[in-house]
This record gives sequence, structure tokens and C-alpha cells, in this order.
Amino acid sequence: DAKTTQPPSMDCAEGRAANLPCNHSTISGNEYVYWYRQIHSQGPQYIIHGLKNNETNEMASLIITEDRKSSTLILPHATLRDTAVYYCIVRVAGTNAGKSTFGDGTTLTVKP
Amino acid sequence: DGGITQSPKYLFRKEGQNVTLSCEQNLNHDAMYWYRQDPGQGLRLIYYSQIVNDFQKGDIAEGYSVSREKKESFPLTVTSAQKNPTAFYLCASSLTGGMNTEAFFGQGTRLTVV
Repeated sequence: DAKTTQPPSMDCAEGRAANLPCNHSTISGNEYVYWYRQIHSQGPQYIIHGLKNNETNEMASLIITEDRKSSTLILPHATLRDTAVYYCIVRVAGTNAGKSTFGDGTTLTVKP
Repeated sequence: DGGITQSPKYLFRKEGQNVTLSCEQNLNHDAMYWYRQDPGQGLRLIYYSQIVNDFQKGDIAEGYSVSREKKESFPLTVTSAQKNPTAFYLCASSLTGGMNTEAFFGQGTRLTVV
């Protein structure tokens, strides 16, 4: 699986959009981008994933650049409960989801 | 409700004792995984199993053992050979093969060895 690079921490004001970047410059054509988050002392939670098109669900939007070397997770209206560690992962479709490499992620702090 | 359950949430053991952490899932997933997480760090894979009666070592298997006798259960034993067993342990499960599968995690067990 390709390696990802994320900033160690970010702050966001409550009610504003949180934009979390991820670099994956060595991503292969068959690798998907996945995002998970981990609220303190809980298990990680799946957020969203995509291959090359932008994706949106009830939790977030995922914007992937045309060259697929980077992506941005967008939380459109951040709340205090969105404070968590966010992990960006790339992996080959059809492979075991749990074998993904969870690095240190980005600690997002939403402030009132 | 479908999900993955780890028990207990907190566990204390004396140094030198083996301890077994429980992980049960009712999602009918074939694959199950164990991770270790130390403070301020990401997750490191200990063991994983793709099918009943089969399992593979992950990145940090030394000092740990697992079994997979039933599809829904994947217990992890932290043995006395594990030098630094105090950590947060996470279990996960997923479908195998197919496209676009994600991992589902339990709420973790925090093990403290004194």
C-alpha cells in the first residue's frame, strides 16, 4: 500500500469547514483513498473513500486531485464532536481492509 | 445490533501473567484483525485472520498469540514474553475480497500491566 503524509495537527472554528489534506504521491492506479477518524479512547470509524471522483456522504466530502497524488477531506460544518484524529489511508481495492497502515494521522481540534 | 464487541474495556494484570482479550463480531465477516496503539501514535497490526482456523502475523506479533476457532471470535493472548504489554488494543473485522470494503473496529481494551 502507498504511504501517506498528513499534517500532525489542525484547528478549526466550530461551524466552519474543516479541510484536512493528505498527500499520497506514490498511489497506484488501483489504490483507493480511505478516511477514518478516531475519537479519544474509541475505535476508529470509517468516514468515506474514493478512487478518482469526488465523493460525498452524510459525514463528509472527499476531493481527490486529478493526478490522484493528494486529497482533502472536508467536514462542511465542524462541531465540537468532530474533534478527533483523522487517518488517511490508501490501499488496493479487494484487499483486506484491516491490513491498512494507520499512521499518526491529523489531530483535528474544533474550537468554540 | 450488528457490530464488533471487545471486552473488557479496562484490564489490569500483574507482570509475568498471560492475559486474553476478547473480540466478538456478528457482522458475518470472514477477516478479523488485532492492533496495538500506544499513546499519541497510530495503529500497529499484531495478527490477522482471513478465515476460520487460519491466521497470519502482522508487524509486531512477538509476545502475542491468537486463535480463530469460530468465525465470530478472535481472542488475543498477551503473553509474558511481551516486553511492554501496557497499551490500547483494538480489534477489527471486514469482508474479504470484493471492492470497496472498510474495516469495522471495536471500542478497544486498555490493558495495564503493573
